[in-house]
Amino acid sequence: GAVVSQHPSRVICKSGTSVKIECRSLDFQATTMFWYRQFPKQSLMLMATSNEGSKATYEQGVEKDKFLINHASLTLSTLTVTSAHPEDSSFYICSARAGTGEGQPQHFGDGTRLSIL
Amino acid sequence: DAKTTQPNSMESNEEEPVHLPCNHSTISGTDYIHWYRQLPSQGPEYVIHGLTSNVNNRMASLAIAEDRKSSTLILHRATLRDAAVYYCIRYTGTASKLTFGTGTRLQVTL
Repeated sequence: GAVVSQHPSRVICKSGTSVKIECRSLDFQATTMFWYRQFPKQSLMLMATSNEGSKATYEQGVEKDKFLINHASLTLSTLTVTSAHPEDSSFYICSARAGTGEGQPQHFGDGTRLSIL
Repeated sequence: DAKTTQPNSMESNEEEPVHLPCNHSTISGTDYIHWYRQLPSQGPEYVIHGLTSNVNNRMASLAIAEDRKSSTLILHRATLRDAAVYYCIRYTGTASKLTFGTGTRLQVTL
Protein backbone atom coordinates (compact mmCIF):
# COMPACT_ATOMS: atom_id res chain seq x y z
CA GLY A 1 0.00 0.00 0.00
CA ALA A 2 0.84 3.73 0.03
CA VAL A 3 2.00 4.05 -3.55
CA VAL A 4 2.82 7.42 -5.06
CA SER A 5 3.08 7.71 -8.82
CA GLN A 6 4.93 10.55 -10.49
CA HIS A 7 4.76 11.39 -14.17
CA PRO A 8 6.68 11.92 -16.38
CA SER A 9 9.85 10.24 -15.20
CA ARG A 10 12.02 12.27 -17.53
CA VAL A 11 11.60 15.47 -19.51
CA ILE A 12 13.97 17.11 -21.94
CA CYS A 13 12.84 20.41 -23.38
CA LYS A 14 13.99 23.75 -24.71
CA SER A 15 14.58 26.81 -22.61
CA GLY A 16 11.41 28.87 -22.16
CA THR A 17 9.08 25.87 -22.12
CA SER A 18 6.69 25.27 -19.25
CA VAL A 19 6.68 21.75 -17.84
CA LYS A 20 3.97 20.10 -15.76
CA ILE A 21 4.74 17.22 -13.40
CA GLU A 22 1.97 15.12 -11.88
CA CYS A 23 1.99 13.40 -8.52
CA ARG A 24 -0.73 10.89 -7.69
CA SER A 25 -1.44 8.88 -4.57
CA LEU A 26 -2.76 5.61 -5.99
CA ASP A 27 -4.23 3.80 -3.02
CA PHE A 28 -4.78 6.44 -0.40
CA GLN A 29 -6.03 9.98 -0.06
CA ALA A 30 -3.48 12.65 0.63
CA THR A 31 -4.57 15.95 2.08
CA THR A 32 -0.94 17.05 2.03
CA MET A 33 1.66 16.54 -0.64
CA PHE A 34 5.19 17.84 -0.81
CA TRP A 35 7.51 18.85 -3.63
CA TYR A 36 11.28 18.50 -3.38
CA ARG A 37 14.19 19.27 -5.66
CA GLN A 38 17.50 17.44 -5.68
CA PHE A 39 20.62 18.58 -7.50
CA PRO A 40 23.37 16.06 -8.35
CA LYS A 41 25.25 14.74 -5.33
CA GLN A 42 23.11 16.82 -2.98
CA SER A 43 20.31 16.04 -0.60
CA LEU A 44 16.62 16.72 -1.12
CA MET A 45 15.44 20.27 -0.58
CA LEU A 46 11.80 20.91 0.22
CA MET A 47 10.28 23.40 -2.20
CA ALA A 48 6.68 23.60 -1.07
CA THR A 49 3.87 21.96 0.82
CA SER A 50 0.68 21.41 -1.12
CA ASN A 51 -2.64 21.20 0.68
CA GLU A 52 -5.77 20.00 -1.04
CA GLY A 53 -8.14 22.84 -1.76
CA SER A 54 -5.86 25.63 -0.60
CA LYS A 55 -2.77 27.52 -1.66
CA ALA A 56 0.60 25.88 -1.40
CA THR A 57 3.12 26.97 1.19
CA TYR A 58 6.50 27.70 -0.34
CA GLU A 59 9.86 27.45 1.38
CA GLN A 60 12.04 30.51 1.62
CA GLY A 61 13.78 31.29 -1.64
CA VAL A 62 11.38 29.32 -3.84
CA GLU A 63 9.55 31.51 -6.36
CA LYS A 64 5.85 30.73 -6.26
CA ASP A 65 5.28 32.30 -9.68
CA LYS A 66 7.99 30.13 -11.13
CA PHE A 67 6.86 26.87 -9.57
CA LEU A 68 3.08 26.68 -9.73
CA ILE A 69 1.46 24.06 -7.55
CA ASN A 70 -2.11 22.86 -7.83
CA HIS A 71 -3.67 20.30 -5.48
CA ALA A 72 -7.18 20.04 -6.82
CA SER A 73 -8.07 16.61 -5.42
CA LEU A 74 -7.10 14.28 -2.61
CA THR A 75 -5.08 12.14 -5.00
CA LEU A 76 -3.42 14.59 -7.37
CA SER A 77 -0.98 17.45 -7.07
CA THR A 78 0.80 19.09 -9.98
CA LEU A 79 3.96 21.16 -10.20
CA THR A 80 4.41 23.40 -13.21
CA VAL A 81 7.83 24.84 -13.88
CA THR A 82 7.06 27.95 -15.88
CA SER A 83 9.40 29.30 -18.53
CA ALA A 84 12.06 26.79 -17.54
CA HIS A 85 15.73 27.63 -17.97
CA PRO A 86 18.85 25.47 -17.76
CA GLU A 87 19.32 26.31 -14.07
CA ASP A 88 15.95 24.67 -13.39
CA SER A 89 17.36 21.34 -14.54
CA SER A 90 17.11 19.03 -11.55
CA PHE A 91 15.49 15.93 -10.09
CA TYR A 92 12.01 16.82 -8.84
CA ILE A 93 10.38 14.50 -6.33
CA CYS A 94 6.94 14.54 -4.78
CA SER A 95 5.69 12.86 -1.65
CA ALA A 96 2.36 12.35 0.01
CA ARG A 97 1.36 11.80 3.57
CA ALA A 98 -1.36 9.28 4.28
CA GLY A 99 -3.47 10.42 7.20
CA THR A 100 -3.12 13.36 9.52
CA GLY A 101 -1.93 11.63 12.64
CA GLU A 102 1.29 12.85 14.15
CA GLY A 103 4.38 11.14 12.87
CA GLN A 104 2.72 9.68 9.77
CA PRO A 105 5.43 8.84 7.21
CA GLN A 106 5.68 10.32 3.76
CA HIS A 107 5.64 8.17 0.66
CA PHE A 108 7.62 9.30 -2.33
CA GLY A 109 7.29 9.13 -6.08
CA ASP A 110 10.16 7.95 -8.24
CA GLY A 111 11.01 11.48 -9.29
CA THR A 112 11.11 13.44 -12.53
CA ARG A 113 14.42 14.26 -14.10
CA LEU A 114 14.08 17.60 -15.83
CA SER A 115 16.68 18.68 -18.36
CA ILE A 116 16.40 22.11 -19.94
CA LEU A 117 18.51 22.65 -23.04
CA ASP B 1 19.10 22.50 9.48
CA ALA B 2 18.49 18.78 9.64
CA LYS B 3 19.50 18.62 13.31
CA THR B 4 20.69 15.04 13.04
CA THR B 5 24.22 13.77 12.62
CA GLN B 6 25.10 10.65 10.66
CA PRO B 7 28.38 9.23 9.36
CA ASN B 8 28.94 10.09 5.72
CA SER B 9 29.47 6.51 4.66
CA MET B 10 29.58 2.94 5.92
CA GLU B 11 30.47 -0.39 4.41
CA SER B 12 29.06 -3.81 5.06
CA ASN B 13 29.48 -7.31 3.77
CA GLU B 14 26.50 -9.01 2.25
CA GLU B 15 24.37 -11.10 4.63
CA GLU B 16 25.85 -9.43 7.68
CA PRO B 17 23.94 -7.10 10.02
CA VAL B 18 24.37 -3.36 9.61
CA HIS B 19 23.96 -0.79 12.35
CA LEU B 20 23.48 2.75 11.07
CA PRO B 21 23.82 5.34 13.85
CA CYS B 22 22.14 8.71 14.13
CA ASN B 23 22.67 11.42 16.69
CA HIS B 24 19.81 13.77 17.51
CA SER B 25 20.89 15.21 20.81
CA THR B 26 18.56 18.25 20.64
CA ILE B 27 15.42 16.27 19.89
CA SER B 28 12.23 17.49 21.52
CA GLY B 29 9.71 15.32 23.27
CA THR B 30 7.26 15.41 20.37
CA ASP B 31 9.70 14.72 17.52
CA TYR B 32 9.43 11.37 15.83
CA ILE B 33 12.52 9.70 14.39
CA HIS B 34 12.06 8.70 10.78
CA TRP B 35 14.37 6.76 8.50
CA TYR B 36 14.22 6.83 4.74
CA ARG B 37 16.57 5.48 2.12
CA GLN B 38 17.25 6.54 -1.42
CA LEU B 39 18.55 4.28 -4.12
CA PRO B 40 20.30 5.88 -7.10
CA SER B 41 17.98 7.80 -9.43
CA GLN B 42 14.91 7.03 -7.33
CA GLY B 43 12.77 8.87 -4.83
CA PRO B 44 13.31 8.12 -1.14
CA GLU B 45 11.67 5.08 0.38
CA TYR B 46 10.17 5.05 3.86
CA VAL B 47 11.94 2.53 6.09
CA ILE B 48 10.74 2.89 9.65
CA HIS B 49 9.85 5.41 12.33
CA GLY B 50 9.44 5.57 16.08
CA LEU B 51 8.95 7.88 19.02
CA THR B 52 10.26 6.24 22.19
CA SER B 53 10.08 2.47 21.94
CA ASN B 54 12.11 0.24 19.69
CA VAL B 55 10.30 -0.67 16.48
CA ASN B 56 10.48 -3.60 14.10
CA ASN B 57 9.06 -4.06 10.63
CA ARG B 58 9.78 -6.25 7.63
CA MET B 59 12.55 -3.96 6.42
CA ALA B 60 14.48 -3.11 9.54
CA SER B 61 14.57 -2.48 13.27
CA LEU B 62 14.90 0.88 14.98
CA ALA B 63 16.59 1.05 18.33
CA ILE B 64 16.02 4.32 20.19
CA ALA B 65 18.20 5.28 23.11
CA GLU B 66 16.46 5.73 26.42
CA ASP B 67 17.28 9.46 26.46
CA ARG B 68 16.20 9.68 22.78
CA LYS B 69 19.37 11.53 21.86
CA SER B 70 20.43 8.86 19.44
CA SER B 71 19.02 5.97 17.47
CA THR B 72 20.27 3.09 15.37
CA LEU B 73 18.76 1.62 12.25
CA ILE B 74 19.45 -2.09 12.07
CA LEU B 75 19.39 -4.06 8.85
CA HIS B 76 19.52 -7.65 9.99
CA ARG B 77 21.06 -9.13 6.84
CA ALA B 78 22.38 -6.67 4.31
CA THR B 79 21.93 -7.45 0.64
CA LEU B 80 23.30 -5.69 -2.41
CA ARG B 81 19.86 -4.12 -2.87
CA ASP B 82 20.28 -2.35 0.47
CA ALA B 83 23.05 -0.16 -0.95
CA ALA B 84 21.59 3.33 -0.70
CA VAL B 85 21.78 6.64 1.12
CA TYR B 86 20.03 6.34 4.48
CA TYR B 87 18.50 9.44 6.00
CA CYS B 88 17.67 9.83 9.68
CA ILE B 89 15.19 12.66 10.18
CA ARG B 90 13.54 14.30 13.13
CA TYR B 91 9.92 14.70 12.19
CA THR B 92 7.81 17.14 14.06
CA GLY B 93 4.22 16.08 13.57
CA THR B 94 2.74 19.53 13.78
CA ALA B 95 5.16 21.05 11.27
CA SER B 96 4.87 17.97 9.08
CA LYS B 97 8.04 18.75 7.18
CA LEU B 98 10.89 16.37 6.51
CA THR B 99 14.27 18.09 6.47
CA PHE B 100 16.82 15.89 4.75
CA GLY B 101 20.46 16.02 5.79
CA THR B 102 23.30 14.41 3.90
CA GLY B 103 22.58 10.90 5.17
CA THR B 104 24.82 7.85 5.30
CA ARG B 105 25.86 6.19 2.07
CA LEU B 106 25.85 2.44 2.69
CA GLN B 107 27.98 0.26 0.47
CA VAL B 108 27.37 -3.48 0.51
CA THR B 109 29.99 -5.79 -0.86
CA LEU B 110 30.05 -9.50 -1.62
